[in-house]
Amino acid sequence: ETGVTQSPTHLIKTRGQQVTLRCSSQSGHNTVSWYQQALGQGPQFIFQYYREEENGRGNFPPRFSGLQFPNYSSELNVNALELDDSALYLCASRDKGETQYFGPGTRLLVL
Amino acid sequence: GQQLNQSPQSMFIQEGEDVSMNCTSSSIFNTWLWYKQEPGEGPVLLIALYKAGELTSNGRLTAQFGITRKDSFLNISASIPSDVGIYFCAGSAYTGANSKLTFGKGITLSVRP
Repeated sequence: ETGVTQSPTHLIKTRGQQVTLRCSSQSGHNTVSWYQQALGQGPQFIFQYYREEENGRGNFPPRFSGLQFPNYSSELNVNALELDDSALYLCASRDKGETQYFGPGTRLLVL
Repeated sequence: GQQLNQSPQSMFIQEGEDVSMNCTSSSIFNTWLWYKQEPGEGPVLLIALYKAGELTSNGRLTAQFGITRKDSFLNISASIPSDVGIYFCAGSAYTGANSKLTFGKGITLSVRP
């Protein structure tokens, strides 16, 4: 148990729709990162939030956006869903160290 | 995006055997992490390495941070059936608030009883 929780566990959407995924960080962790994991691949970094501001972004388009709240919980929003957005979405939290602790993920299927 | 190099994609071993996995990169990393992922779950941290040359153990697992900072290995001794899963290496090139992990594609480990 890492203390990082995510909701929902599974989600089915259709192309063009919008989706919001949620993450609750481990207690005391003020940094949260989101990753996309396609089938058979390692996780790919989407972005990172620190003290409610985005402070690092991977190679993902602007339709991937996020929020971090004062209690360090976080959201990932994806607009105009595409078929290739089907993946496992992982959030990870950390404190001042470099070690990131992952939640169980949300599996998104876009039809 | 950039990924670390892990090969082979799959490994099949007999229960009780030792197994070693390598991870290499063309870039330098400040931190190396090894994770295990089982079906339907997120990656679980096995070992974290913070200094070049560091050798760290966690039970039957041992990992080393390469001297060049471009590679790491993970060794599992006396494998058991519950070692089955996908093993990912991950590197972090930044320190402080701005940090991201770069992952390998993972190695799927099967253990024959």
